[in-house]
Amino acid sequence: DTEVTQTPKHLVMGMTNKKSLKCEQHMGHRAMYWYKQKAKKPPELMFVYSYEKLSINESVPSRFSPECPNSSLLNLHLHALQPEDSALYLCASSQGGRYGYTFGSGTRLTVV
Amino acid sequence: DQQVKQNSPSLSVQEGRISILNCDYTNSMFDYFLWYKKYPAEGPTFLISISSIKDKNEDGRFTVFLNKSAKHLSLHIVPSQPGDSAVYFCAASAGADKLIFGTGTRLQVFP
Repeated sequence: DTEVTQTPKHLVMGMTNKKSLKCEQHMGHRAMYWYKQKAKKPPELMFVYSYEKLSINESVPSRFSPECPNSSLLNLHLHALQPEDSALYLCASSQGGRYGYTFGSGTRLTVV
Repeated sequence: DQQVKQNSPSLSVQEGRISILNCDYTNSMFDYFLWYKKYPAEGPTFLISISSIKDKNEDGRFTVFLNKSAKHLSLHIVPSQPGDSAVYFCAASAGADKLIFGTGTRLQVFP
């Protein structure tokens, strides 16, 4: 299995909703990442988990809450989001950035 | 503060010709560089990488060149094919777990 699987592919949520994005990989990669990509912009790093521990938080607002239940799973819990949080959320995994990341196909999030 | 820049937002090339995508960076601590290809509604796909101790890396139709003194790298695709039409991102690493992506160049290869 050489894929990173993200669910759901599309999500529409209201500003008072609580939802979660899920990411799964079975390549034995030690690091997992959340990126956010707005239209016509590069992916921007949000969080990095290394060996199931949060190693990087790029000053992301607390309405985004990551969780790594085990080495294969990564969640992103969403609460009280704003319309400007609408974007493509990408999950990736790697054995270290120098080896290249394997990205999932993303979750297209729309906040209404 | 955009540390990795791709100054050409788009590039149009005829099939069979060479595509050259450029990337500039500002942080001299970057020691590893990667190129990714992205289709709409998909995640980026890793293409090729290069360490800062090298100046060239080749993989099939793809070659990446690094000029450290100019803080510049380029991706050459020869020959270009219509299936190469996508957005290309360069990315740079200054540590094990942090990639900084460039702004992207949309490549269109026409028949």
